[in-house]
Amino acid sequence: TQLLEQSPQFLSIQEGENLTVYCNSSSVFSSLQWYRQEPGEGPVLLVTVVTGGEVKKLKRLTFQFGDARKDSSLHITAAQPGDTGLYLCAGGTSYGKLTFGQGTILTVHP
Amino acid sequence: DTEVTQTPKHLVMGMTNKKSLKCEQHMGHRAMYWYKQKAKKPPELMFVYSYEKLSINESVPSRFSPECPNSSLLNLHLHALQPEDSALYLCASSLTQGADEQYFGPGTRLTVT
Repeated sequence: TQLLEQSPQFLSIQEGENLTVYCNSSSVFSSLQWYRQEPGEGPVLLVTVVTGGEVKKLKRLTFQFGDARKDSSLHITAAQPGDTGLYLCAGGTSYGKLTFGQGTILTVHP
Repeated sequence: DTEVTQTPKHLVMGMTNKKSLKCEQHMGHRAMYWYKQKAKKPPELMFVYSYEKLSINESVPSRFSPECPNSSLLNLHLHALQPEDSALYLCASSLTQGADEQYFGPGTRLTVT
């Protein structure tokens, strides 16, 4: 069974601070996705990383995929209240099942 | 357009009711998924359809019955549910089963009384 350990589970910060969320596994994934979910809504796909060592930037968000394709990180610079939500990493497999991390609940206070 | 739509948004049903959840996508995706999500937890896979055929059933109780009438539509028929089945039910789609990028709908908030 492939597992993804996501940390931290909870993060409460002030507007303007930086933060990093980690997603680690002992298994190799074909890709890693990061989703953001607001209460009562479905997860929204933020990014997919596929190549080991890959770095992608989406405005203030920076995503990294580990060289061995077993881990990933999400870094947010100068967090804003609109960044508040549940962040989920998910590892892709060849047969269509996504392995989800346990999620990080981020609260950014004004 | 990466939109998956779901109806209804909210549903309250008694344990003896029969109801259906609907999901639709027009992205030409050939894989569609049902997930169940409890509060502040990750989604749990229930069913996968690939090219309109049931591909994966994650040992879901028979009171949940999926149906894929065509490549754009996915239904989840509900009957004799239990209060612990109350959750957010999410539909997702991807280009094919095995394509990693899944696009989720907004979900149906189900309450079983």
